[in-house]
Amino acid sequence: KAGVTQTPRYLIKTRGQQVTLSCSPISGHRSVSWYQQTPGQGLQFLFEYFSETQRNKGNFPGRFSGRQFSNSRSEMNVSTLELGDSALYLCASSLEVGGAKNIQYFGAGTRLSVL
Amino acid sequence: EDQVTQSPEALRLQEGESSSLNCSYTVSGLRGLFWYRQDPGKGPEFLFTLYSAGEEKEKERLKATLTKKESFLHITAPKPEDSATYLCAVQARGEGKSTFGDGTTLTVKP
Repeated sequence: KAGVTQTPRYLIKTRGQQVTLSCSPISGHRSVSWYQQTPGQGLQFLFEYFSETQRNKGNFPGRFSGRQFSNSRSEMNVSTLELGDSALYLCASSLEVGGAKNIQYFGAGTRLSVL
Repeated sequence: EDQVTQSPEALRLQEGESSSLNCSYTVSGLRGLFWYRQDPGKGPEFLFTLYSAGEEKEKERLKATLTKKESFLHITAPKPEDSATYLCAVQARGEGKSTFGDGTTLTVKP
């Protein structure tokens, strides 16, 4: 069974640009969450989607947005990039939200560098 | 607000030297506590989930335990391949998001 797939693995952008990251969850999983990981802040929750609806959002500015498609694939977008957005962006999928089977499985991440 | 604190921040062991990692948490109604292993440049790999105080799970040289305030990850006779960062996370009831600790970086020397 294929795991969580994130593309691209690496990205280099300059300040002010925007970027779109993609996540394909494990087959059958309907919930997708996004996290930002930096050395100083650790893993910080960005948002969570279930059945194309955003169920929860972390404390990030509006420049960070996401969406989920009918096939459960998800994208996140960061507009007007800042140097501080450089991080490893992780996607996690799970069967459902808040239920007993809600074990989150992570992808390998997208490493974003903002110059 | 949910909080997770892991200690120590870093741990260096000799091969075969057993030890424990600590995860203290506060959460409004624990649904589950999760342990992950993360290798450099990779995403977190799921290890265990614990749901109630007194529960224990084992996998090879690792054993996770849970009380009402903390969890321990015991590593018995570690090997160099156990070197990684171990992350602890909690989920509150009814929520899908996880709150993570900053992790413990374990180095096992041969």
